[in-house]
Amino acid sequence: NAGVMQNPRHLVRRRGQEARLRCSPMKGHSHVYWYRQLPEEGLKFMVYLQKENIIDESGMPKERFSAEFPKEGPSILRIQQVVRGDSAAYFCASSPAADRHEQYFGPGTRLTVT
Amino acid sequence: KQEVTQIPAALSVPEGENLVLNCSFTDSAIYNLQWFRQDPGKGLTSLLLIQSSQREQTSGRLNASLDKSSGRSTLYIAASQPGDSATYLCAVRPNRGSTLGRLYFGRGTQLTVWP
Repeated sequence: NAGVMQNPRHLVRRRGQEARLRCSPMKGHSHVYWYRQLPEEGLKFMVYLQKENIIDESGMPKERFSAEFPKEGPSILRIQQVVRGDSAAYFCASSPAADRHEQYFGPGTRLTVT
Repeated sequence: KQEVTQIPAALSVPEGENLVLNCSFTDSAIYNLQWFRQDPGKGLTSLLLIQSSQREQTSGRLNASLDKSSGRSTLYIAASQPGDSATYLCAVRPNRGSTLGRLYFGRGTQLTVWP
């Protein structure tokens, strides 16, 4: 059973471009969580999704950021018009059907905005 | 709002020492607490998960304790080795409200074990 997959592992974007980060949860997991780790800071929750539903997006910036978890395919975190302050490591985690289970983390996507 | 603090921020010790890493949280209404390991440039590896009804969990040379009423957890590492060098993160999961799905992380303790 493969773990949580994230791609790309490293992403470089120029200011103003769009960044798309993908997360494939573990097999059988229908809950996905995105976290961001800014340089020298701890991980901060961004958004919690189930298939086709956003459950909690209170940690996500109001503008330029969006997330989805479609019925088929990976979860996608999308950042429009990136700025230097978006440079960070973005981690995805997944858990089984019940939302109180342990979260399993992917290797992260390191976004660099030049 | 839940806040998680980890002390010390960094620790450098010779091989063989027994270590204690500390984690405190402000809201005792937690469902569980997890300890993770993060290697530089890598993802998070879950080490131990303690449910709120438990007092401790053990895995090999690692032992984690939980005192929910006082908002504290400790991670004990016995006979440390250079391979234990990493950042150790503590995270709590709330037990109520609209934030059930999220984990609240501390900033971590950066551990260096030298031979």
